[in-house]
This record gives sequence, C-alpha cells and structure tokens, in this order.
Amino acid sequence: AQSVAQPEDQVNVAEGNPLTVKCTYSVSGNPYLFWYVQYPNRGLQFLLKYITGDNLVKGSYGFEAEFNKSQTSFHLKKPSALVSDSALYFCAVRDATSGTYKYIFGTGTRLKVLA
Amino acid sequence: EAGVAQSPRYKIIEKRQSVAFWCNPISGHATLYWYQQILGQGPKLLIQFQNNGVVDDSQLPKDRFSAERLKGVDSTLKIQPAKLEDSAVYLCASSSDRGRGTEAFFGQGTRLTVV
Repeated sequence: AQSVAQPEDQVNVAEGNPLTVKCTYSVSGNPYLFWYVQYPNRGLQFLLKYITGDNLVKGSYGFEAEFNKSQTSFHLKKPSALVSDSALYFCAVRDATSGTYKYIFGTGTRLKVLA
Repeated sequence: EAGVAQSPRYKIIEKRQSVAFWCNPISGHATLYWYQQILGQGPKLLIQFQNNGVVDDSQLPKDRFSAERLKGVDSTLKIQPAKLEDSAVYLCASSSDRGRGTEAFFGQGTRLTVV
C-alpha cells in the first residue's frame, strides 16, 4: 500500500535559520509526492510537488523539497525561516496503484519558528 | 479562479442528531474528495467522486455517512446519526485530473463538534 511517514510531530527553528521538515514514502511504481501547509482554521494549501525530473523542486513562499529515491525521502526545506511559516505541514502521496489516484496524507508536522 | 467553497464553517450538534455539509468545487474539476481530519491527525479520505460517480468510498462509515454529487458539480456529505467520535474537520477538495501529478485544492473545511 502507498504511504508517507512524517517522523517528527513538531519542529522548532529560530527565525532566519534553515528549516527541514522530513517525509519518507513507501510506494510501488513512480511516486507522485506533494507538500501542503495548513494554517489555523484553514484548509490545506498546496506548496509543491514532485512528479518527475529534477530532484530539487521549488514551490510557494520560498519552500523547496528534495526528492531522494535511494532514501525514499521527500524533505521540505527553506533556507531562512520566517515566524509566519509557523503552521502544520503535511506530506502526501498520490496513490497510482489502485486506479483511484487518491491523495494519502501523513500525520503532519507542526513547525514553530521562534523570533 | 474561485477556490473550493464549503459551508457551514462551524457546526455544533448533539449526538444522534443529523448534519449535512455542502461543497462547491473549482469549476471544471472532475474529481471531488471528502476528507475527515481528526485533531492531531492527517486527513483521511472518506469518499471520492469522478464526475457524479463514486470512485472510492472504502473508508466511509456507510451505516451513518452518506454523500452525493448531483450533476457532477456540488456535493453534500451527511451524517445521521452523529456520534461523539465524528467530531472533526471535514475537508472538501477537488482536482482537475489532467495527469496523475495534478494537485488537489482544498476548501476551508467545516469544523463539526458533537456533544
């Protein structure tokens, strides 16, 4: 079965420092990977995705993610964190094996950027 | 482009009562999803529609939950009767499905509290 795992419930980082939010995946076939962000009392907002090609993908608000096939990882990164980046981050995989192409989400990582 | 619209934003009901949520997807999006997000967890797919047909409802508690998508556009999700454990945020999403790598767009969600 397709799945993603987010090993950290919470990540704390000082403003201005680089941040990394971790995600590992388990898929059969080619992975279609996504990152979403959720602010309080809001829905999920798309940040970026990996389909194929360059392993470093760039997305919204200065975020990027690195796809690593050998480590089955898709970590979210940002060179310099802002207090406004504090939110809940979800990694997701699109299930291309069942024929439904549903999105399967991780448990989420809460990012706190400290001023 | 208008986003995914959901209503109501908040709902408080007593257990054993019924409740309905409404979703209007992005215009032209063929696929519509209903997710349940319990506090502290990632979104879990309840049901997925392709146009007005059900693609996946394997995790929908069919003894109490029902959903429909009339004319392949708007959708309603109903719970009858509600249980305490149904307290969650119900998220509606839609995708265009022009390829497996397309992202889903989410509404702001409906926060349901069952007391």
